[in-house]
Amino acid sequence: GAGVSQSPSNKVTEKGKDVELRCDPISGHTALYWYRQRLGQGLEFLIYFQGNSAPDKSGLPSDRFSAERTGESVSTLTIQRTQQEDSAVYLCASSPYQAGKDAYEQYFGPGTRLTVT
Amino acid sequence: GNSVTQMEGPVTLSEEAFLTINCTYTATGYPSLFWYVQYPGEGLQLLLKATKADDKGSNKGFEATYRKETTSFHLEKGSVQVSDSAVYFCALDRTTDSWGKLQFGAGTQVVVTP
Repeated sequence: GAGVSQSPSNKVTEKGKDVELRCDPISGHTALYWYRQRLGQGLEFLIYFQGNSAPDKSGLPSDRFSAERTGESVSTLTIQRTQQEDSAVYLCASSPYQAGKDAYEQYFGPGTRLTVT
Repeated sequence: GNSVTQMEGPVTLSEEAFLTINCTYTATGYPSLFWYVQYPGEGLQLLLKATKADDKGSNKGFEATYRKETTSFHLEKGSVQVSDSAVYFCALDRTTDSWGKLQFGAGTQVVVTP
């Protein structure tokens, strides 16, 4: 079946511009996560959506970052007034909610490589 | 706070050699532990996991045992292949009240030569 998809795969933008990154989770997955992977580093958690609960935004690095999710489907991550330090690969993951059974397995998309010039 | 430390790469070894990638963690509560793999040009994939102390996760010839006493989750494979060349990430779920939020190590690149 279809996996997690993300678009665009690559984005080059000028410093100060806004960007929107899109994530399409696996159908039926109630949980959705955004991570950031800077060059040579591990993944940093950004934000987490679970069903209709309020999102966990504890990983967002500044108020320039925001994310929305429509129901249990598409999510968009928006970065306003981009800075060079925002350059990274942004990864989206989704997982099904099955308490006590593979509840933590996350399925990752291919990522969006963002370059801020 | 919670953290994951894994050995730096790149790790270069010959086909059929033994591979170990060290991973240690600090965490409150009782996290689940994971190894994810990222093959060249592909997305992250779950390789194996362990959800409680002394559990052993295994997949594709890889193994890792959850050692609470040493707070470690080292990844091992007895005989690597060229196709195992990838970046390997150790991860834990962050806290017992933050379901599913993974905290990752920096990743270890493995290069297997014929």
